[in-house]
Amino acid sequence: NAGVMQNPRHLVRRRGQEARLRCSPMKGHSHVYWYRQLPEEGLKFMVYLQKENIIDESGMPKERFSAEFPKEGPSILRIQQVVRGDSAAYFCASSPGTATNYGYTFGSGTRLTVV
Amino acid sequence: GENVEQHPSTLSVQEGDSAVIKCTYSDSASNYFPWYKQELGKRPQLIIDIRSNVGEKKDQRIAVTLNKTAKHFSLHITETQPEDSAVYFCAASIDTGFQKLVFGTGTRLLVSP
Repeated sequence: NAGVMQNPRHLVRRRGQEARLRCSPMKGHSHVYWYRQLPEEGLKFMVYLQKENIIDESGMPKERFSAEFPKEGPSILRIQQVVRGDSAAYFCASSPGTATNYGYTFGSGTRLTVV
Repeated sequence: GENVEQHPSTLSVQEGDSAVIKCTYSDSASNYFPWYKQELGKRPQLIIDIRSNVGEKKDQRIAVTLNKTAKHFSLHITETQPEDSAVYFCAASIDTGFQKLVFGTGTRLLVSP
């Protein structure tokens, strides 16, 4: 089991560019969660998706951020027109179901640096 | 919404000592409380969790206690070792149909040899 795979591990973008972060859940997992960790802070929930559906995006900034989890392929977190404040580590987690019987397994994260 | 506070923010102990990290939560509906360990530049890793129907759980040198009345839970590490040095995060989750974890701000634990 390869675990939750995220790529790229490190991403550098200039202000105004777009950032695309990818997350492949563990085999058999159809639920994906994205969290953001600002430097020296805890993780903050962004969005929860199931295949082809956004279930809860209450933690997503209203503008520039979007997420998808298509029927085929990885989940994508997309940040348009990046700004310095978007610099953070973005972690994805997956679970096989919705009940709180499973601890999250996080991927290794994508560290976004906006210059 | 749920709010989780974590103390202390930093904790320095000598190897072999015990370490205790405390968290409080605000929403009495929270029913799942995991603890994560994060080493520098790495992903958070689940080390232990507890559910609201249990008061204490132990796994070798690590234990977690939960006081639902007071709405606080604690992580206890005994016989600390230098490799325990990391940032530890507590979290709380309400079962609203899916896991939506609210994290504390973290405790940086330093174990000196």
